[in-house]
Amino acid sequence: AQSVTQLDSHVSVSEGTPVLLRCNYSSSYSPSLFWYVQHPNKGLQLLLKYTSAATLVKGINGFEAEFKKSETSFHLTKPSAHMSDAAEYFCVVTDRGSTLGRLYFGRGTQLTVWP
Amino acid sequence: DAGVIQSPRHEVTEMGQEVTLRCKPISGHNSLFWYRQTMMRGLELLIYFNNNVPIDDSGMPEDRFSAKMPNASFSTLKIQPSEPRDSAVYFCASSLGTHGNTIYFGEGSWLTVV
Repeated sequence: AQSVTQLDSHVSVSEGTPVLLRCNYSSSYSPSLFWYVQHPNKGLQLLLKYTSAATLVKGINGFEAEFKKSETSFHLTKPSAHMSDAAEYFCVVTDRGSTLGRLYFGRGTQLTVWP
Repeated sequence: DAGVIQSPRHEVTEMGQEVTLRCKPISGHNSLFWYRQTMMRGLELLIYFNNNVPIDDSGMPEDRFSAKMPNASFSTLKIQPSEPRDSAVYFCASSLGTHGNTIYFGEGSWLTVV
């Protein structure tokens, strides 16, 4: 069975400081992992994704995530937060080996960035 | 290149009325998904289609909800009759294939049932 756990429902950082949003997953097959961002009153936008290539994945807006199979983690990081990063972030898993392709969403982490 | 297009963006309706939400997926995509987002339950997959055929509708809450995909470029999600607890944001999303490919979301339809 597949599931995603986002360990923090809220994260607050000061502008210019690092961001860490944590995600752990469980998957019966080879997972594909995604991070999506949702700004207020907007749809979900893909930040980055891991399929089967490099374990360190770079995304848009300076975000990156590292796939660690031994820890079943896919944490999202950014070296320096910007005010525009304030949004809700979703970690998502799907099984590459599954014919169904269903996505499993975490509950989301609300990121607040203080000036 | 146009993304996933949803309409209406906002709808306020009275309890008991029929609501129809519409979605145009990205051209060439063959998988289409309907999600519902609420504060209480987060993002829930309602149904998804592959090549216009419903594959998994286990997330459809009850018989009041129905979804169709008459062709590759159009889908509807209908609620009849609507109830206040249906108030949510409904997202349509599409992807090319289903094997871990990126899913692209529309901007959502904000539904309020009073």
